[in-house]
Amino acid sequence: AQRVTQPEKLLSVFKGAPVELKCNYSYSGSPELFWYVQYSRQRLQLLLRHISRESIKGFTADLNKGETSFHLKKPFAQEEDSAMYYCALTPSNTDKLIFGTGTRLQVFP
Amino acid sequence: ETGVTQSPTHLIKTRGQQVTLRCSSQSGHNTVSWYQQALGQGPQFIFQYYREEENGRGNFPPRFSGLQFPNYSSELNVNALELDDSALYLCASSSGQEDSPLHFGNGTRLTVT
Repeated sequence: AQRVTQPEKLLSVFKGAPVELKCNYSYSGSPELFWYVQYSRQRLQLLLRHISRESIKGFTADLNKGETSFHLKKPFAQEEDSAMYYCALTPSNTDKLIFGTGTRLQVFP
Repeated sequence: ETGVTQSPTHLIKTRGQQVTLRCSSQSGHNTVSWYQQALGQGPQFIFQYYREEENGRGNFPPRFSGLQFPNYSSELNVNALELDDSALYLCASSSGQEDSPLHFGNGTRLTVT
């Protein structure tokens, strides 16, 4: 079964603290993995994708095929990072996204 | 360029009724996908349209149907509404090219009473 699991519904940290949002996936093939973000009163938007191997707004995510994980990390959280974060995968040869249930990140001043 | 726009923003329907939701793709995008997001859940893929043809479908019953028009705008139709159909319905468009990201609309909040 194709599934994305985000075990934390809510993650609260103070500004400047490191952040790690967990994502595990279940898929037998080679998926594409993504992180989407939804800031308050804004639409869902792509944050980063594993094939790009880039850092966006200080966030990085490494695909670990052995652990089937794609955790999102940032060394120093900022208040403007407060948002809803969704991990998603695209199975091979499709365009559909399979989303996790999301993690709400709250960064306190 | 204009982004993905959806209408209406909110809608209340009664169980058993039919509903049509509309989506205008981002300029230059020929692929449209629809997602259902129930409260507290991530979006779930309903189906995708590419150049007016259905191009993939998720685990939704046939009473969920769609259309894509020559200008690449799209409709989602749901017949025989059930209480569990209450959700945020998201439309997303892309250019259809490899690695092109999805651009989401703000969604239509459907409440079935």
